[in-house]
Amino acid sequence: SQQGEEDPQALSIQEGENATMNCSYKTSINNLQWYRQNSGRGLVHLILIRSNEREKHSGRLRVTLDTSKKSSSLLITASRAADTASYFCATDAGDYKLSFGAGTTVTVRA
Amino acid sequence: DTGVSQDPRHKITKRGQNVTFRCDPISEHNRLYWYRQTLGQGPEFLTYFQNEAQLEKSRLLSDRFSAERPKGSFSTLEIQRTEQGDSAMYLCASSPPGLAGVFNEQFFGPGTRLTVL
Repeated sequence: SQQGEEDPQALSIQEGENATMNCSYKTSINNLQWYRQNSGRGLVHLILIRSNEREKHSGRLRVTLDTSKKSSSLLITASRAADTASYFCATDAGDYKLSFGAGTTVTVRA
Repeated sequence: DTGVSQDPRHKITKRGQNVTFRCDPISEHNRLYWYRQTLGQGPEFLTYFQNEAQLEKSRLLSDRFSAERPKGSFSTLEIQRTEQGDSAMYLCASSPPGLAGVFNEQFFGPGTRLTVL
């Protein structure tokens, strides 16, 4: 079974706009990660946020984590066509295996 | 290319046949993971190796599935007597050694897409 749930399931935005997606999870975690997957390909690691962190930035990405609400958000600013992909949150509960959500499919329109 | 590689990239087989996939992790990565991803879903954990030891197996890994990492380098995943429900993308990932209890990023390969007819 999937640990996390992403919301929304799908998102369509205009190039240059910001994209925000959320992830909720069920059990305590050590850290939470976000991955990107282009159609039919492997996953690319975007960012990792540890359970004692609240916010993290990497380039155009901003991730927040609220462990009290068991939720995280990923913000992509100034989106580009190349950002079109599926985005997954994945949690680690200290046992090295990742538990993924079902993903948010983002389409950036030119 | 020094990333995780998987072979083959695509496999079409008939129900009841056996298939074997190979994963070559990034060199010096002692941890190796297998995941399965069905259409529209996120990856699901199957099994995990630290060096040559298989430390954990998901209950998703039925007795028709077996994974090995004989020398602590490459790994193979074999599915015996394939069923249509085995159709999925099989992803391999590796991660470097680290402090106990400290999670390191997992680097994913491109996956092997299995279609069982």
